[in-house]
Amino acid sequence: SQQGEEDPQALSIQEGENATMNCSYKTSINNLQWYRQNSGRGLVHLILIRSNEREKHSGRLRVTLDTSKKSSSLLITASRAADTASYFCATDNQAGTALIFGKGTTLSVSS
Amino acid sequence: DAGITQSPRHKVTETGTPVTLRCHQTENHRYMYWYRQDPGHGLRLIHYSYGVKDTDKGEVSDGYSVSRSKTEDFLLTLESATSSQTSVYFCAISESTTGGNQPQHFGDGTRLSIL
Repeated sequence: SQQGEEDPQALSIQEGENATMNCSYKTSINNLQWYRQNSGRGLVHLILIRSNEREKHSGRLRVTLDTSKKSSSLLITASRAADTASYFCATDNQAGTALIFGKGTTLSVSS
Repeated sequence: DAGITQSPRHKVTETGTPVTLRCHQTENHRYMYWYRQDPGHGLRLIHYSYGVKDTDKGEVSDGYSVSRSKTEDFLLTLESATSSQTSVYFCAISESTTGGNQPQHFGDGTRLSIL
């Protein structure tokens, strides 16, 4: 069963613009994580935000978490062509032993 | 990069044949995972392991078995491959002591085609 759902499914922007991706989930969580996947490669962890945190930054990445709305957003500022990838959110399962991934947002950044 | 290696990277086989995929880690992490990734479905958990000989099922475990006889190796076996198991398979490891509360590190995947 899919826990997280990303929105939009696909996003195309120009270099220098900001990219925002959203994730909604269904049940309570302990933490939410964002991952990036470049074409033909494995997923790479970007950021983890715990349920008692509201915002977290890492370089050009900003993640917010609203547990009352069961949603999270990933903002990439000043996008570069190298940011072209698929982005996934993941939440821990009810037992806290594994992650459940959404279907991802495909970001295309053109120069 | 986390030391995680998947083999083979590509495999083509026929329906009904057994297939084993290997995941090898050099990080001595307790948790290891097998996922499959298909268009329209994202990443789905097949099985995971929380220690030597300790495994549990994920969302899409039917038709798959796993074994972990050493900390560093986690094997995924398709006993009798079917065309519906054509997919890209990813292994992941986690430094977590409980499973879901730490980042996972992924291998580069095995592209499996079953004809």
